[in-house]
Amino acid sequence: KAGVTQTPRYLIKTRGQQVTLSCSPISGHRSVSWYQQTPGQGLQFLFEYFSETQRNKGNFPGRFSGRQFSNSRSEMNVSTLELGDSALYLCASSLVPGYPYEQYFGPGTRLTVT
Amino acid sequence: DQQVKQNSPSLSVQEGRISILNCDYTNSMFDYFLWYKKYPAEGPTFLISISSIKDKNEDGRFTVFLNKSAKHLSLHIVPSQPGDSAVYFCAARVAGGSEKLVFGKGTKLTVNP
Repeated sequence: KAGVTQTPRYLIKTRGQQVTLSCSPISGHRSVSWYQQTPGQGLQFLFEYFSETQRNKGNFPGRFSGRQFSNSRSEMNVSTLELGDSALYLCASSLVPGYPYEQYFGPGTRLTVT
Repeated sequence: DQQVKQNSPSLSVQEGRISILNCDYTNSMFDYFLWYKKYPAEGPTFLISISSIKDKNEDGRFTVFLNKSAKHLSLHIVPSQPGDSAVYFCAARVAGGSEKLVFGKGTKLTVNP
């Protein structure tokens, strides 16, 4: 069974640009969550999607947005990139919401903003 | 406001000995606590969890203890093996069925042969 796939794995962008990251959950999983990992703040929750609906959102500015498609794949978008957006962005999937011990994480997308 | 705290950024133990990783929390609304293990260049891997209604959960070499009155949990690894060397994250879920996890900043465990 294939794991959670995130593309691209590495990305370098310039301040002010926008970026789209993609996450393909494990086959059959319908819930997708996104996290940002930075050395100073650790892992911080961004969003949670289930059945194409955003169920929860973390404390991030409106520049961070996401969506989920009917096949459960998810994308997150960051507009007007800032240097502080440099981080590892992790996606996690689970069958349905409410069972956190069944969340499986992808390897992450390393975003560097210059 | 950091709701989940791992106060030790690093821990070094000898192979075969016990590793104890600690975590403190402030939010009484957490209903599940989890430990994740993370190797470089990989995503976190679920290790073990405990419901807030329990005080101990065991899975092989890994045991998690929860002290609700002290708002403290710990992960015991016995015996420690070099392959256990990784960053360990404590995480907590707010009651309500959400997938949102609040993570600590991690403790880097090094097990020396």
